[in-house]
Amino acid sequence: GAVVSQHPSWVICKSGTSVKIECRSLDFQATTMFWYRQFPKQSLMLMATSNEGSKATYEQGVEKDKFLINHASLTLSTLTVTSAHPEDSSFYICSARVPTSMYEQFFGPGTRLTVL
Amino acid sequence: GQQLNQSPQSMFIQEGEDVSMNCTSSSIFNTWLWYKQEPGEGPVLLIALYKAGELTSNGRLTAQFGITRKDSFLNISASIPSDVGIYFCAGQNPGAGSYQLTFGKGTKLSVIP
Repeated sequence: GAVVSQHPSWVICKSGTSVKIECRSLDFQATTMFWYRQFPKQSLMLMATSNEGSKATYEQGVEKDKFLINHASLTLSTLTVTSAHPEDSSFYICSARVPTSMYEQFFGPGTRLTVL
Repeated sequence: GQQLNQSPQSMFIQEGEDVSMNCTSSSIFNTWLWYKQEPGEGPVLLIALYKAGELTSNGRLTAQFGITRKDSFLNISASIPSDVGIYFCAGQNPGAGSYQLTFGKGTKLSVIP
């Protein structure tokens, strides 16, 4: 159990376009999901906390108008990178909190975004 | 904000050797988690620690939650080639509805067959 999927696994887009990344909890309902960004050879940086049915909470320095998060159902959260630029190229990873555990988060496989 | 210092940054070991890595924090955490990440994949949870002083094993992996709640270590015994990857510690302070993780910078493990 506790499987989290992401789609797509990789995407290449032109500068100025928008890209949507989906995060799904496959076998449990997740009231809270998290979005991380990871640059090569670096650790995971939390971007935002996504709560089902409410607005996402963004970390300091993360532009909420740039990175739109929607958590429309208990099994799906989406991250849309709007007007993407080359500096947005990164590995984006989501995680979902298992509701039966206060502490444990399970991560998706990540999405590699390359902006040309 | 809270910071985690994870060491070593990288290590090269011979297959069969034991491995030890640790994390220290400038402040207290109520939960410590250890994850492994392989290239192009998301982190996979290895061990979760919930109580100060707790020692928990998962196969060849053993992790401990420090008494001061400011540190944790992970040991891998009898390493094998598939242990290769980046190991991250993460601290958490659940409370007031916050379940955010603070990650260490990772320990990159290479195993020489």
